[in-house]
Amino acid sequence: NAGVTQTPKFRILKIGQSMTLQCTQDMNHNYMYWYRQDPGMGLKLIYYSVGAGITDKGEVPNGYNVSRSTTEDFPLRLELAAPSQTSVYFCASSAGRMTHEQFFGPGTRLTVL
Amino acid sequence: AQSVAQPEDQVNVAEGNPLTVKCTYSVSGNPYLFWYVQYPNRGLQFLLKYITGDNLVKGSYGFEAEFNKSQTSFHLKKPSALVSDSALYFCAVRDDNAGNMLTFGGGTRLMVKP
Repeated sequence: NAGVTQTPKFRILKIGQSMTLQCTQDMNHNYMYWYRQDPGMGLKLIYYSVGAGITDKGEVPNGYNVSRSTTEDFPLRLELAAPSQTSVYFCASSAGRMTHEQFFGPGTRLTVL
Repeated sequence: AQSVAQPEDQVNVAEGNPLTVKCTYSVSGNPYLFWYVQYPNRGLQFLLKYITGDNLVKGSYGFEAEFNKSQTSFHLKKPSALVSDSALYFCAVRDDNAGNMLTFGGGTRLMVKP
């Protein structure tokens, strides 16, 4: 199993540009999550999904959109990039909601200039 | 609202000595508690969790954690530290009253010196 994979690993965007961060998991997990990690901080939840076709906002959803058309894929869309979105983005998945651990991808380091 | 505090930004330990990384939490219901480790330029890896039952939980790589309900703490411990344990450690909590969100602490950097 590859687990959770994310692409790209690194990206530099100009202010106002758009991009999609890709996330795929091969563990047949229903639950998927997007987090951002700012320097010296813990992780903040952006969006999550409890299954294909179902998404919900997390703690910091502004400026982002998601979709979940399949169990495996959970892309994160930035429509109008801003410097405040400079961060490391992690995708994660879990088999269950409350008691199950999350499996994390390797992260995407995004810089907005 | 649920919250997690990791009071130490960094913990320094000599190799072979015991280590403790502190975590305290606040929830309104029953807590589900997790420890994750992050190595440089990598995603987080699960170490251990407390859901219910025995207050001492054993996890990966020789780590363990003790759940203390009266002190609302879930400190991570290891009897003998290795240089390879040097990494960033995150405590996380989920409140069984609070839905889907897992709240992470700010992280503690563990430095194990030879």
